[in-house]
Amino acid sequence: GAVVSQHPSWVICKSGTSVKIECRSLDFQATTMFWYRQFPKQSLMLMATSNEGSKATYEQGVEKDKFLINHASLTLSTLTVTSAHPEDSSFYICSARATSGGSYNEQFFGPGTRLTVL
Amino acid sequence: QKEVEQDPGPLSVPEGAIVSLNCTYSNSAFQYFMWYRQYSRKGPELLMYTYSSGNKEDGRFTAQVDKSSKYISLFIRDSQPSDSATYLCAMSANQKVTFGTGTKLQVIP
Repeated sequence: GAVVSQHPSWVICKSGTSVKIECRSLDFQATTMFWYRQFPKQSLMLMATSNEGSKATYEQGVEKDKFLINHASLTLSTLTVTSAHPEDSSFYICSARATSGGSYNEQFFGPGTRLTVL
Repeated sequence: QKEVEQDPGPLSVPEGAIVSLNCTYSNSAFQYFMWYRQYSRKGPELLMYTYSSGNKEDGRFTAQVDKSSKYISLFIRDSQPSDSATYLCAMSANQKVTFGTGTKLQVIP
């Protein structure tokens, strides 16, 4: 099956610093990648959708200047949490979809990145 | 009101039991219905997806969709300790996926 990797899997940073998380599709080209955030005992909340070569579309309530998303190639998307604060501590999960279209196309999820901001 | 409602559990069952997991939804635009399994500190893994009302079976798993009642279910037969995980229902409309909160399942040997 399709594999999506994330790096790092776990990061601890000081408040005010920036953290970059990478999401890679290893064996397929992802025209669309999604970034989710999951707090303990809560569901995945979509933060933004990114298409290769274009600006990301952010969900309501997600600060685009704080969560910078870059989807520069068909296999790599990055999420940068700028000026991180303790309330940004969460489990960040990316997913990738191979093609776009009217029918359902499966999203393949990465293993997640646990961010802890001190 | 949330678009997707799912009982968070936890749900504890003995090994070999039949497990029933359910979700209700309010958005009639949802077209695809999925069930994901998520182990602790891991990303979700797709178990099954369905498009129409009715049943879909895959091994020990059966997904059921009732669009008229806006209700979906996942049944697990002969449950195993390895099935212990959080199960998330998810629904898709216009390429956007909305997840339930997940039900934590524990299968006790």
